[in-house]
Amino acid sequence: RKEVEQDPGPFNVPEGATVAFNCTYSNSASQSFFWYRQDCRKEPKLLMSVYSSGNEDGRFTAQLNRASQYISLLIRDSKLSDSATYLCVVSRWDGNKLVFGAGTILRVKS
Amino acid sequence: SQTIHQWPATLVQPVGSPLSLECTVEGTSNPNLYWYRQAAGRGLQLLFYSVGIGQISSEVPQNLSASRPQDRQFILSSKKLLLSDSGFYLCAWSPGTTYGYTFGSGTRLTVV
Repeated sequence: RKEVEQDPGPFNVPEGATVAFNCTYSNSASQSFFWYRQDCRKEPKLLMSVYSSGNEDGRFTAQLNRASQYISLLIRDSKLSDSATYLCVVSRWDGNKLVFGAGTILRVKS
Repeated sequence: SQTIHQWPATLVQPVGSPLSLECTVEGTSNPNLYWYRQAAGRGLQLLFYSVGIGQISSEVPQNLSASRPQDRQFILSSKKLLLSDSGFYLCAWSPGTTYGYTFGSGTRLTVV
């Protein structure tokens, strides 16, 4: 089983739609969780950290369910500029490394 | 503020040639440093990480090596490149995994 699993997509949505991505992780000892965004042929960039109580940053909401080892990202009112690959990221048990999921592709169309 | 520099941006090298990619971080001290590779259409694979000068941990046995000669300098090397070494190489730094990583802009390596 992979340490971090994501649906690769692509998710094709119209502008203004709400879209949700899910991610599961295998290591119950993981302590840190993030969502990254990667544009085509660019480096990944931190989108947001994910906290146990859930957190929101503008149109983006992240949720963590430790019992189910599940992380989600909700994007409201999708923009064309949201088109990218979204990477779910989890810390490993030894604390020094992060494990990246393979990513979910989002395409927002007008 | 902290910045990470990685060069070159693009590299085309023949099979069997050596490789040296450099990464430097500014504005912080004693960062954790990482080298990742991303093959075309694939996820990020951790190659090496370092928590201090001269301390290198390898994640995957392969044709590559890494060195950290100075606190904020991380170098990825190979003596003889293989076709399978082609990919997008990314350097990253972090003060600790609680804060996530910041990536350099990457080097796109094509071995021909």
